[in-house]
Formats: sequence, structure tokens, C-alpha cells
Amino acid sequence: SSELTQDPSVSVALGQTVRITCQGDSLRNYYTGWYQQKPGQAPLLVFYGVNNRPSGIPDRFSGSSSGDTASLTITGAQAEDEADYYCSSRDNSGSHRGVFGGGTKLSVL
Amino acid sequence: EVQLVESGGGLVQPGKSLRLSCAASGFPVSSSYMSWVRQAPGKGLEWVSVLYSEGNAYYADSVTGRFSISRDNSKNILYLQMNNLKSEDTAVYFCARDLTDYYYYLGVWGAGTPVTVSS
Repeated sequence: SSELTQDPSVSVALGQTVRITCQGDSLRNYYTGWYQQKPGQAPLLVFYGVNNRPSGIPDRFSGSSSGDTASLTITGAQAEDEADYYCSSRDNSGSHRGVFGGGTKLSVL
Repeated sequence: EVQLVESGGGLVQPGKSLRLSCAASGFPVSSSYMSWVRQAPGKGLEWVSVLYSEGNAYYADSVTGRFSISRDNSKNILYLQMNNLKSEDTAVYFCARDLTDYYYYLGVWGAGTPVTVSS
């Protein structure tokens, strides 16, 4: 299958914890990458693989995966975390294609 | 510093062609998995194509047969040749580098170049 499903929107109170989920068959074979995108900017990889954060990404961003579902958790959400978040992985059909989820708009209240 | 800079976007009529360029610095495009990703106005990210360091190329169903990815190792540039353009190809096109050269974890992105297909 070549689809990844995300909730369209999620909100979190400032300083609280929020989980953004991503579901799809490809996640049974491939760990996901998570991207943050703010208006007018290119996406930014914030978490990938089993337990990897690119240099410069705050440790309040973490990820997990089980079966066909992956999650990005922000512990102690900050105002600057308000953005669109996308999950992505390789397609598991053997096509060598990539696939993105539809994106989740995170609002920090 | 590792950097990607796209160029070549613009306004083009349906059915015409356009070639996008992605100039890399700080690393050789020949040794990395390089992807193109696009984003239509107000929409989400869409994976378009990947070129492996070994030279294999793969495409989304929506562009197969119309788009072609390639690179010039001497100039350190990645290209996306887009033929028979359709209105639904209107988007900002980003090039990106895979951190792992396998899992499509895109750790370096360019700022994007906009393409508008309209008569």
C-alpha cells in the first residue's frame, strides 16, 4: 500500500504534551521520518528511524512505532512548534517510491 | 556547508516542458540518494522522484512517463525534466538529500522553486 494517514489537525496547550500519529501498511516494514513545515518554508526533518533526531532539533521531539502506526511526540510544546507535520516512508510494495502522509496542522494554544 | 538551491521554475503553458535544476554544495550529488518533492498551493507534500547514487531512478505514478530525473556530476547539479505539463503539476518543487541513502529520510532541503502550469 502507498498511503499514510494522519489526523488533519491537533491542538495542544502551551507546555503540554501532544502526540501526532501516522498509520499505513508501509510502516510495518519501514520506520518513518517526521517533518515540520512552517508557512513559506521548506520542510525540516525533526525525527527519523528508530530513535534519531537531526542535529539542532530539541529533545522535546521524540518518536515511536508499533505495527502500522508511528507517532511523533512533543513533550512540553512551545509556541514555535505550531506548524504542519508530515510523516513519510518508503513504499513497501517494492516500487522504490516514497510516500507522505496528508499532514497534521498543530495548533499551540 | 551542505546546501541545495533550486532554480528553473516559472510560468509554462499546458503541454510544454520545463527543466528544474538543483545545485548542490558541500557534498557530491553522485554519492547520495536525491529526491524531488512537490507541494501544490495549500496542499500537502507529494513525493515525485528519486535518483539513487547507483543511477536507478523511480517516479510517482502521477509523473511516470512525463518527468525524468538526472544529474550532472561535473557540475554537481540534480535535474528534473518535466514534459507534457498539466495544470495539476502546479506546485513548489523541492529537491532534497537522503540522510541514509536508503530510507528516504530527507535531511537537507532546498528552498524550492515554484512552477505554474497555466494558459
